[in-house]
Amino acid sequence: GAGVSQSPSNKVTEKGKDVELRCDPISGHTALYWYRQSLGQGLEFLIYFQGNSAPDKSGLPSDRFSAERTGGSVSTLTIQRTQQEDSAVYLCASSRQVGPGANVLTFGAGSRLTVL
Amino acid sequence: AQTVTQSQPEMSVQEAETVTLSCTYDTSENNYYLFWYKQPPSRQMILVIRQEAYKQQNATENRFSVNFQKAAKSFSLKISDSQLGDTAMYFCAVGGGADGLTFGKGTHLIIQP
Repeated sequence: GAGVSQSPSNKVTEKGKDVELRCDPISGHTALYWYRQSLGQGLEFLIYFQGNSAPDKSGLPSDRFSAERTGGSVSTLTIQRTQQEDSAVYLCASSRQVGPGANVLTFGAGSRLTVL
Repeated sequence: AQTVTQSQPEMSVQEAETVTLSCTYDTSENNYYLFWYKQPPSRQMILVIRQEAYKQQNATENRFSVNFQKAAKSFSLKISDSQLGDTAMYFCAVGGGADGLTFGKGTHLIIQP
């Protein structure tokens, strides 16, 4: 697509439920990133994909968080047994490739998650 | 590891004034890049300007320019002739490794009419 598309735009869920957030990157972009933005905070790096593989999962806050990418395109971030502290905006970004200089990230509009 | 510090949580200036947002960073990478992103209320992060660390010349994009002081690890953003549409959160970021960018906590810039 022309830009990075994220869905849902807003999600309200009850504590303990599982949620899935979707990111559709720019066509041809091999690198895909997930960030979390909590209220009043900067962007916290969660995970990145080079193609379908995720070399670095150390940014995921707990084992309740997982992400996958299939076909080198769409990625899904899954949060199991959501907690109130998971409430945040989850931003996805893609870039043409991984590496310095190529890291001009194009962001989606984010998915705002509210856990009641 | 990389860190980015933005020491101004919020700034407010009058329309048409010039404003400078400060940013300091630390990185162990030899080859790295510095960025300023803007996030308006729509939440869409928009790239404002990019600086390659090995270039001494400061980057400029229309009304936006940077003052890059490599030895001091400082990367400030200057906005000239500020406009109402410049009101947004501004994030400084450094990138050099494979895992994307490291962002500061942001500066909320308010342009007053």
